[in-house]
Amino acid sequence: EDKVVQSPLSLVVHEGDTVTLNCSYEVTNFRSLLWYKQEKKAPTFLFMLTSSGIEKKSGRLSSILDKKELFSILNITATQTGDSAVYLCAGPDDSGGYNKLIFGAGTRLAVHP
Amino acid sequence: GAGVSQSPRYKVAKRGQDVALRCDPISGHVSLFWYQQALGQGPEFLTYFQNEAQLDKSGLPSDRFFAERPEGSVSTLKIQRTQQEDSAVYLCASSLAVLGSGRALLTDTQYFGPGTRLTVL
Repeated sequence: EDKVVQSPLSLVVHEGDTVTLNCSYEVTNFRSLLWYKQEKKAPTFLFMLTSSGIEKKSGRLSSILDKKELFSILNITATQTGDSAVYLCAGPDDSGGYNKLIFGAGTRLAVHP
Repeated sequence: GAGVSQSPRYKVAKRGQDVALRCDPISGHVSLFWYQQALGQGPEFLTYFQNEAQLDKSGLPSDRFFAERPEGSVSTLKIQRTQQEDSAVYLCASSLAVLGSGRALLTDTQYFGPGTRLTVL
């Protein structure tokens, strides 16, 4: 059975800290891994990773994939209170010809001033 | 442009009532997904539409759950005889999903709506 496991489940830091969020996955027919940020309700897309060892970067956020170890990390540097959210990792199961997302439980990040 | 919208944003139902949740996907998006997110958990797949065709309903938890997308745009998720365990946030997502050779493109990003928080008393 496909599964995605995230750690830690929650994290509390102070502004300016750097955080690393972890995602391990076991997805049949793996093709990509996605990171979403969920504030309030709607998950918003952050990154899609398909190739091992290639870092994707957007501002203070970066992510990398290790296909051999079935693992991905999301880094946030110089955290701000606006980074407080739940960060979701997902692996698409596209065996049916469409991307059914299998999500982890998420990491709830709280950034305090 | 407009994103995915859902209504209502909040719904409180008494146990046994029927509810209907609406999703307006991004215009032109072929694929539409419904997910259920329980408190403290990640979203879980419920059902998938390609245009008006419901191609996968394997995630629907019981036959009390029914979804439709009759004209290939707006979708409705209906829950009959609601139970307390149905309380969750129901998320809708759409994607452009230009399929090729039966496989979804790697770049097929799903865009989520704000969800409907259903509370069953």
